[in-house]
Amino acid sequence: DIQMTQSPSTLSASIGDRVTITCRASQSISTWVAWYQQKPGKAPKLLIYKPSSLESGVPSRFSGSGSGTEFTLTISSLQPDDFATYYCQQYTGYPLTFGGGTKVEIK
Amino acid sequence: EVQLVESGGGLVQPGGSLRLSCAASGFPFREYYMDWVRQAPGKGLEWVSRVRKETNSYTTEYAASVKGRFSISRDDSKNSVHLQMNSLKSEDTAVYYCTRAPSNGFFDYWGQGILVTVSS
Repeated sequence: DIQMTQSPSTLSASIGDRVTITCRASQSISTWVAWYQQKPGKAPKLLIYKPSSLESGVPSRFSGSGSGTEFTLTISSLQPDDFATYYCQQYTGYPLTFGGGTKVEIK
Repeated sequence: EVQLVESGGGLVQPGGSLRLSCAASGFPFREYYMDWVRQAPGKGLEWVSRVRKETNSYTTEYAASVKGRFSISRDDSKNSVHLQMNSLKSEDTAVYYCTRAPSNGFFDYWGQGILVTVSS
């Protein structure tokens, strides 16, 4: 199975900060990675896929990059609506796997 | 508007069975793969199962943790997908999400989720 390791697991930041979350795959997954945002009690929401394509309706402050085994999700200027948990996911092979999540908290 | 609405969850004893259903609307259902993803209380996301579309012969995939116990199916005439869960264990306790997947494999729409609790 391909393991997806996210870091950090928790991140404290302030409004306006630039935030970067990293996801490392246990083997090369080319560019087959997606990022999701989840708020408490809600379903996850797709933000980015492959690994820099922004899903329709997602603000442009979100961006993704990487290839092979290292991927990043960046929020250029953190907004109040962005405090949530973020997950990466690989879709190059089965089982499809997610990272453990990164919780972005208010500093 | 894309909508995915799960039903069929609830409390079941260990070793019991439950059938989850997902009613889809707002998109050409037969053109998409459909998956189930679950989330145990306070934990992360775990992919459970996939059923491909007719042009891919409705083939299926399962996580190792549920293979042989769970069965996924779809009914394109009713725009629905189902997850038959047998021999349930306490570790199957989770919110189960119905998801839509473009063929390349990520999940672009999610249902609101339905809770399955396995407990005596």
